[in-house]
Amino acid sequence: DGGITQSPKYLFRKEGQNVTLSCEQNLNHDAMYWYRQDPGQGLRLIYYSQIVNDFQKGDIAEGYSVSREKKESFPLTVTSAQKNPTAFYLCASSTHGQLEKLFFGSGTQLSVL
Amino acid sequence: DAKTTQPPSMDCAEGRAANLPCNHSTISGNEYVYWYRQIHSQGPQYIIHGLKNNETNEMASLIITEDRKSSTLILPHATLRDTAVYYCIVRVGNSGGGADGLTFGKGTHLIIQP
Repeated sequence: DGGITQSPKYLFRKEGQNVTLSCEQNLNHDAMYWYRQDPGQGLRLIYYSQIVNDFQKGDIAEGYSVSREKKESFPLTVTSAQKNPTAFYLCASSTHGQLEKLFFGSGTQLSVL
Repeated sequence: DAKTTQPPSMDCAEGRAANLPCNHSTISGNEYVYWYRQIHSQGPQYIIHGLKNNETNEMASLIITEDRKSSTLILPHATLRDTAVYYCIVRVGNSGGGADGLTFGKGTHLIIQP
């Protein structure tokens, strides 16, 4: 089945530690996105990528990093510079220019120990 | 992008039509209205979108006023599984870019009562 897969479902980070969230899609989509969601809030854009080897900062990129070495994969690293990383992280993908077909993964809940 | 205003929460009885309003008084001529919904602890799901005309699909209907300053999402026969947060988003359509995705506000928390 085609879709977008995020892993792990739950992740715990220790102080000063970098952690990486995985996002893989087999929809042959060009564009991929990372959003952060805090309780009771909307989604805020962290990073997005339109093509392989290219990505752009979103509204809240500080403390995060990404890579796009393959069309199918768009991992997000939460670095130790992100002082408040506890949140629900959502990855999405779309065919370039077709916003109505934004497909989301099931999310990763990151918590700080 | 035009800003949208939605009520924070709404209740609806199971089996009845759920009508979710959205105000977007500053919408531009080339901006579409998109609706997504997010069931608890899942990613948002596309529902429907439109520019000027009313739209209907297997999930819902979208009614856009003639002046385009507001719209209503209609779930014709709400079920308990329709309990979710519903997001109304206004954005330039396919030909106008959109490479940086969609902006999701707080939406409306729709609760379907048995």
